[in-house]
Amino acid sequence: QSALTQPASVSGSPGQSITISCTGTRSDVGGYDFVSWYQQHPGKVPKLIISEVSNRPSGVSNRFSGSKSGNTASLTISGLQAEDEADYHCASYTSSNTPLVFGTGTKVTVL
Amino acid sequence: QVQLQESGPGLVKPSETLSLTCTVSGASITSGGVYWSWIRQRPGEGLEWIGYIYYIGSGYYNPSLKSQVAISVDPSKNQFSLRLTSVTAADTAVYYCARVKLGFHFFDYWGQGTHVTVTS
Repeated sequence: QSALTQPASVSGSPGQSITISCTGTRSDVGGYDFVSWYQQHPGKVPKLIISEVSNRPSGVSNRFSGSKSGNTASLTISGLQAEDEADYHCASYTSSNTPLVFGTGTKVTVL
Repeated sequence: QVQLQESGPGLVKPSETLSLTCTVSGASITSGGVYWSWIRQRPGEGLEWIGYIYYIGSGYYNPSLKSQVAISVDPSKNQFSLRLTSVTAADTAVYYCARVKLGFHFFDYWGQGTHVTVTS
């Protein structure tokens, strides 16, 4: 099972919106609504920000939103802020030979 | 509030066995509806799922590590553990323990992570 594909980096100016993609297959992202997203600041622990494609846990800013189309899930950060500069990882349930797989990770830079 | 804390040696010699323990507080490790998982992150890389276990002992592992890995549960101590055998430099990483919601497949609580270096 290969890692889900994410862009290595995405950047944007404060106040802008950016979108991070997470591409898999019909065996994972495309087949199930079990995509989750994690934010990880440098040297810190990953934090769940989106579960089940688009559910936002309590306490997570509504500037974060998730969606899915076909085999690609997306995380959108609206009203980009300096504190959003971090690494973002997607993960999905998969019906292949491993039940869980992470994405390759995306570094978000706020210009 | 659920909390997880990893413990174990920070240095392991090549070909030896890496052993880590995760102590859970704020929840019983025998409570249903969750798996207990290990994840690692090599320097400068993304997250890699290692495996997870249900409290009654049903474990699932990443096929790329399956021959090296064993995860076990100790309900009496509210802990679960990772054993990774025959380690090499490629196993140098930050190791996290985390909780997985059964049926929903997301990691909702994480430990702080422990850095393990494989070196002679």
